[in-house]
Amino acid sequence: AQSVTQLDSQVPVFEEAPVELRCNYSSSVSVYLFWYVQYPNQGLQLLLKYLSGSTLVKGINGFEAEFNKSQTSFHLRKPSVHISDTAEYFCAVSGISGGYNKLIFGAGTRLAVHP
Amino acid sequence: NAGVTQTPKFQVLKTGQSMTLQCAQDMNHEYMSWYRQDPGMGLRLIHYSVGAGITDQGEVPNGYNVSRSTTEDFPLRLLSAAPSQTSVYFCASSYDRDVGELFFGEGSRLTVL
Repeated sequence: AQSVTQLDSQVPVFEEAPVELRCNYSSSVSVYLFWYVQYPNQGLQLLLKYLSGSTLVKGINGFEAEFNKSQTSFHLRKPSVHISDTAEYFCAVSGISGGYNKLIFGAGTRLAVHP
Repeated sequence: NAGVTQTPKFQVLKTGQSMTLQCAQDMNHEYMSWYRQDPGMGLRLIHYSVGAGITDQGEVPNGYNVSRSTTEDFPLRLLSAAPSQTSVYFCASSYDRDVGELFFGEGSRLTVL
């Protein structure tokens, strides 16, 4: 079975500071990895994804994530955050189970950017 | 583009009542799914479908039914609502069931009294 652990439920940070949101996963099969962002009162939207190839993945709004297979991690980073980055961020893993793909989400990390 | 449309956006039910959350997508996606979002628990998969006529259970299927008679529509039915089903429900679809990139609706907030 697959599972996703987001190690921080809340991350407060000052504007223009760097940030890292941590995600670890467990899976017995090859996986695809995703980060989604949810702004208040909205649905989720895709931030970035790792399917194969380069382990450093760049996404929208200046975010990037690095896939580390040996540590089964997929941490999200941004070198300088803005107030508008305040949102909840979800790590998700997708792997074949019973012949069909399912996307399993972590519990989420609430990023609060302060001026 | 409409994308994924969910109705209603808000609903209040009494325990034991039934209702259907509607979900429609206009992107010709084969894969559709329903999630519920609860504080501190992220999103949990309720049911999913890989095409018309095919549905399967996710992590938390109890108390919910689904059907998929067309590619576009994937309704979620609560047959006898319980307070534990108070949640925000999201419908999502994908163009490729093997990739997992999902397109989400705006959510339906359900309160069961």
